[in-house]
Amino acid sequence: DVKVTQSSRYLVKRTGEKVFLECVQDMDHENMFWYRQDPGLGLRLIYFSYDVKMKEKGDIPEGYSVSREKKERFSLILESASTNQTSMYLCASSSGGRSNQPQHFGDGTRLSIL
Amino acid sequence: EDQVTQSPEALRLQEGESSSLNCSYTVSGLRGLFWYRQDPGKGPEFLFTLYSAGEEKEKERLKATLTKKESFLHITAPKPEDSATYLCAVQAYSGYALNFGKGTSLLVTP
Repeated sequence: DVKVTQSSRYLVKRTGEKVFLECVQDMDHENMFWYRQDPGLGLRLIYFSYDVKMKEKGDIPEGYSVSREKKERFSLILESASTNQTSMYLCASSSGGRSNQPQHFGDGTRLSIL
Repeated sequence: EDQVTQSPEALRLQEGESSSLNCSYTVSGLRGLFWYRQDPGKGPEFLFTLYSAGEEKEKERLKATLTKKESFLHITAPKPEDSATYLCAVQAYSGYALNFGKGTSLLVTP
């Protein structure tokens, strides 16, 4: 079974802090994704990566950056956290480039910015 | 622009009462339509992929169907453990990412 592991289930940070969310997958998948999920808005794509050191902006990249130094690990960085970044963050991975293989999700990090 | 609309937003069923969830979509070339189940506090769990109109997939009490404009998730004789939010997503030929609908929250009561 595919396993996508997010480093923290719950995280509380202060406004202005630099925040790192980590995601690791164990299936040698090429593609990795970061979403945020908010009530009434659904899942929205922040960034994705289709290869090591490659990244593409999603629908809502402002205030975020990403890093993919190794194939299995994809990090989401909040450069200067703000209260409107309080959300559930979900990481996903999939195989095969632009293929129609399903994305597999981690259990999420619920981030609160105070 | 790709769009995915799910209905109803919420559905309450009695145990054993069959029903269907709808996912209407517009996409510039469908690579795949995906159904996920999400339990509270968890990430989405993959259920099905549908690739072309007329295709059907089944898993236990769930059956997913696809036309050129919409997909249905039919739930036959549901049980309380089927209670969850069901998400539909589409992937276009041109892209890597999924475009999700806002989901249908299903509650099945004994």
